[in-house]
Amino acid sequence: GESVGLHLPTLSVQEGDNSIINCAYSNSASDYFIWYKQESGKGPQFIIDIRSNMDKRQGQRVTVLLNKTVKHLSLQIAATQPGDSAVYFCAENGSSNTGKLIFGQGTTLQVKP
Amino acid sequence: DVKVTQSSRYLVKRTGEKVFLECVQDMDHENMFWYRQDPGLGLRLIYFSYDVKMKEKGDIPEGYSVSREKKERFSLILESASTNQTSMYLCASPPSSRGAPDTQYFGPGTRLTVL
Repeated sequence: GESVGLHLPTLSVQEGDNSIINCAYSNSASDYFIWYKQESGKGPQFIIDIRSNMDKRQGQRVTVLLNKTVKHLSLQIAATQPGDSAVYFCAENGSSNTGKLIFGQGTTLQVKP
Repeated sequence: DVKVTQSSRYLVKRTGEKVFLECVQDMDHENMFWYRQDPGLGLRLIYFSYDVKMKEKGDIPEGYSVSREKKERFSLILESASTNQTSMYLCASPPSSRGAPDTQYFGPGTRLTVL
């Protein structure tokens, strides 16, 4: 079946370091991917998205990389700050055309001061 | 900015009660989604809607129903609440219509506890 998974449940980094959060997806038909950030007790917040015709997309302090060959997605956060501490999860659109998304389980990012 | 609001942040209900969770989006979006989020299970789709009066079952519709009488409002109904429906409920809405791939903007969530 379709699944979106994250390699590590928890990632701990030092403040100021760069963070890399990984995601594997299984549906080769997916052509749209999103990263979300969810702080404790809040709803998921859109960070950045990428379509399959791109390998890389940059935002403010964040970069998403897409490797379609190995079905891998990563989120890089530059100069990680305490405010970046949250659960990060990826999503893909799968093979349906319903607008539904398939969500990964999430990786908890802990930033140590 | 897209604004998705949910009527309650926290709700405590008793088993057997009928529960209404309201979601409102102010951007004239056609699509709206209801999820529940549980530890270890991630986000699971309950119901979604493409337009007024329209509804589609998601992956776990049992025990739930929905209502979309106005475009901006999508209600999730627990006909007879049970303890296994204790969860975080999230409403989301994408800007694109129908099945176009697009991000979904989420509301703040409603933490429902059923005693």
